[in-house]
This record gives sequence, C-alpha cells and structure tokens, in this order.
Amino acid sequence: AQSVTQLDSQVPVFEEAPVELRCNYSSSVSVYLFWYVQYPNQGLQLLLKYLSGSTLVKGINGFEAEFNKSQTSFHLRKPSVHISDTAEYFCAVSDTGTGANNLFFGTGTRLTVIP
Amino acid sequence: DAMVIQNPRYQVTQFGKPVTLSCSQTLNHNVMYWYQQKSSQAPKLLFHYYDKDFNNEADTPDNFQSRRPNTSFCFLDIRSPGLGDAAMYLCATSRDFRDEQFFGPGTRLTVL
Repeated sequence: AQSVTQLDSQVPVFEEAPVELRCNYSSSVSVYLFWYVQYPNQGLQLLLKYLSGSTLVKGINGFEAEFNKSQTSFHLRKPSVHISDTAEYFCAVSDTGTGANNLFFGTGTRLTVIP
Repeated sequence: DAMVIQNPRYQVTQFGKPVTLSCSQTLNHNVMYWYQQKSSQAPKLLFHYYDKDFNNEADTPDNFQSRRPNTSFCFLDIRSPGLGDAAMYLCATSRDFRDEQFFGPGTRLTVL
C-alpha cells in the first residue's frame, strides 16, 4: 500500500516570494505522482504529474516539481507566487501496475499568499 | 463548460434518513469514482465504476452504495447516514485507468 505525507498543513508566504510545498511518499512498488490544487468551493484540478522520464516536471500556473526517488519526495515549487495561488494543494500517488487508478492523497497544504 | 457536475453542492439530512448524491459528466469517460473527504483529511476512495463494472474498496462501509444507470450519471446512496458520514463527497472521472482524473466541485453533506 502507498501513503503520502505532506509535512506542512499551512504555508503562509508573501506575494512574489518563492514557495516550496513538501511531499514525501512511501510505497513498496513503483509509483506515479501527482499534485492537485483545490480552490475554495471548487473541485480538484491537476497541476502536474510524474509518470516517467525527466524527474523535473513542469505544470500549469508556473508550478514545477521534482521527483527524488532516493528521498521518496515530490516537492512542489514556484519561484514567485501570486494572490491567486491561495488554495489547498494535495499531493497524491498511485501504483504503476495494471488495474484501477487508485489515488492515495496526502492531507493537503493550505497555501496563503499575503499581499 | 462544466465537465463533472455534482448536485446538490450542499446537502443536509437527518440522522438515519437516506440520502442520494448525484454526479454527471459530459466527457464520456469510462471510469467514475466517488471519494469521501472529511474535514482536514485526505480524500479517500469509496468505490469506482469502469463502465458498468463496480469495484468497492475493501473498507467502504456497507451503508454506502452506488449506481451508474448510464455512462453520464453516477449516484452515491447513503442508506442510513450517521454523524460520522458528514463530509465532502467528490466525484471524479477518467477516460481509462491510468488517465488523469477530472474532479467535480463536491457535495458537502451535513448530518443533523
């Protein structure tokens, strides 16, 4: 079974400052990794995903994440945040085997961008 | 433009009174999922359909049932809601397994 740990439940950051949201996972098998964003009163939207290939993944809205297999991490970064980035961010993992795409989510990190 | 629609957005029910949540999709995706998200917790998969094939997660309580009468619609039935079933319920779809999941806005269920 897989599990995901998001170490920070809340991250406040000033506008135009850089941000890193941390995600660590544990799994006995190979995994796919995802970051989703949830704006207030909206559903989850995929920011980016790692399936294979380059460990640096670029997503929408200027976000990127780096897969580090040795540290079992998939931290999300943005060099300069905007007010509109205020939202809840979820890291998720699924195994690479055949069968259902069962996503295991972390508990989320609430990013608050301060003007 | 809405792709995954959930109705209602907010649902209040009484302890023990059956309730049905609705999800519809305009994407013609094969797979539909239901997740439960309790306050400050991660979304947790309850079950999914691949076309008409139903798959229940091992730890999903019997109190939760689902129906998928056609490709577009999927329902979540809670037969006898308890206070512990208060949560956000998220519906998602994907074209096939391993494809990106598209989420609806969720239905927030309150049990009085």
